[in-house]
Amino acid sequence: QKEVEQDPGPLSVPEGAIVSLNCTYSNSAFQYFMWYRQYSRKGPELLMYTYSSGNKEDGRFTAQVDKSSKYISLFIRDSQPSDSATYLCAMSDNRLAFGKGNQVVVIP
Amino acid sequence: TAGITQAPTSQILAAGRSMTLRCTQDMRHNAMYWYRQDLGLGLRLIHYSNTAGTTGKGEVPDGYSVSRANTDDFPLTLASAVPSQTSVYFCASSVDGASNQPQHFGDGTRLSIL
Repeated sequence: QKEVEQDPGPLSVPEGAIVSLNCTYSNSAFQYFMWYRQYSRKGPELLMYTYSSGNKEDGRFTAQVDKSSKYISLFIRDSQPSDSATYLCAMSDNRLAFGKGNQVVVIP
Repeated sequence: TAGITQAPTSQILAAGRSMTLRCTQDMRHNAMYWYRQDLGLGLRLIHYSNTAGTTGKGEVPDGYSVSRANTDDFPLTLASAVPSQTSVYFCASSVDGASNQPQHFGDGTRLSIL
């Protein structure tokens, strides 16, 4: 089993829909959890950063961490075509481990 | 805002040739990293440096070398390129090497080895 599992998709949704992305992990030592967004031919940019279990909201984005289930999620409300990108989860104990990324396409 | 600058943005290189990928950051971050990103494999750490003058090996260091002469620059060298090193290379930095520090990425160098 890979340390961080992320379904690569792609995931296509109509504009305005809720996008739901998730990652599972096996290393219980992970303490810090991040979501990065990567546009085509660009580098990953930090989107969300969480530490504890629970929800963190930032505008249309909500990050959710469930340490007991070793499961993290990212929700995008009212999705826009500009949200079309690859989303990578990442988590850290003493180093950063990335998921493989999930491509999202929001159709106008 | 500059952040991390990588050069060149893309390159085609003959197998057996050497190449240095440049990375410069203006955030005065202590830690810097080199990753390669390949389809189906995601981001994999090549080398890292927690502070100027020190470097360490990541997950896939073979065939690559790095140096960290100062805080701002972290070049990656391929001494004798092979086709399996065809990839997109990303440089990243963080405030320090602590586990709670998120990393910030450049826009990558697309390298093709023929």
